[in-house]
Amino acid sequence: NAGVTQTPKFRVLKTGQSMTLLCAQDMNHEYMYWYRQDPGMGLRLIHYSVGEGTTAKGEVPDGYNVSRLKKQNFLLGLESAAPSQTSVYFCASSYLDEQFFGPGTRLTVL
Amino acid sequence: SQQGEEDPQALSIQEGENATMNCSYKTSINNLQWYRQNSGRGLVHLILIRSNEREKHSGRLRVTLDTSKKSSSLLITASRAADTASYFCATEETSGSRLTFGEGTQLTVNP
Repeated sequence: NAGVTQTPKFRVLKTGQSMTLLCAQDMNHEYMYWYRQDPGMGLRLIHYSVGEGTTAKGEVPDGYNVSRLKKQNFLLGLESAAPSQTSVYFCASSYLDEQFFGPGTRLTVL
Repeated sequence: SQQGEEDPQALSIQEGENATMNCSYKTSINNLQWYRQNSGRGLVHLILIRSNEREKHSGRLRVTLDTSKKSSSLLITASRAADTASYFCATEETSGSRLTFGEGTQLTVNP
């Protein structure tokens, strides 16, 4: 039982490049979330999903897109990366109240 | 905007002492949760307290909730060096299943 995994762990992009972050969970959870964590800002919700095929915007969705084609996977896409998207990205999943977090992806946009 | 505000931002204590962190929030909530984050790692759930509860215990953790003041506190008793981490409160608003996190308290426990 791996819990929540994230791929990749680190990535460096140039401004304007695109990439996709993958989150996978093996707990059969309905809810999945993408957060970003910046120094002194806590975690901010980017997008979330309440089930396969559904997505919704969170607090800071601009510049990101998501897809939940399979229940166990939640993808976060950056179509045209900007330096302001330099951050640590966390994925989480939940069944009821408690959220289970992945180890994070550290993204740097130059 | 952040729902929760935590106080203090940083706390440094000696091993064996108690550590108290506070969280204030703005809107009506279903529950309030505390999470821990070790440096460079993901968050780990510690404890949840529902809006109709006033106090909850789990091992060395004690959480209180005062909905009239919109505040919560996390007490860690008999702290250990391994408790060194950032601690975040998160609120689930009555409107849905999303959590809103505070900015966290950095706790350092000196051996």
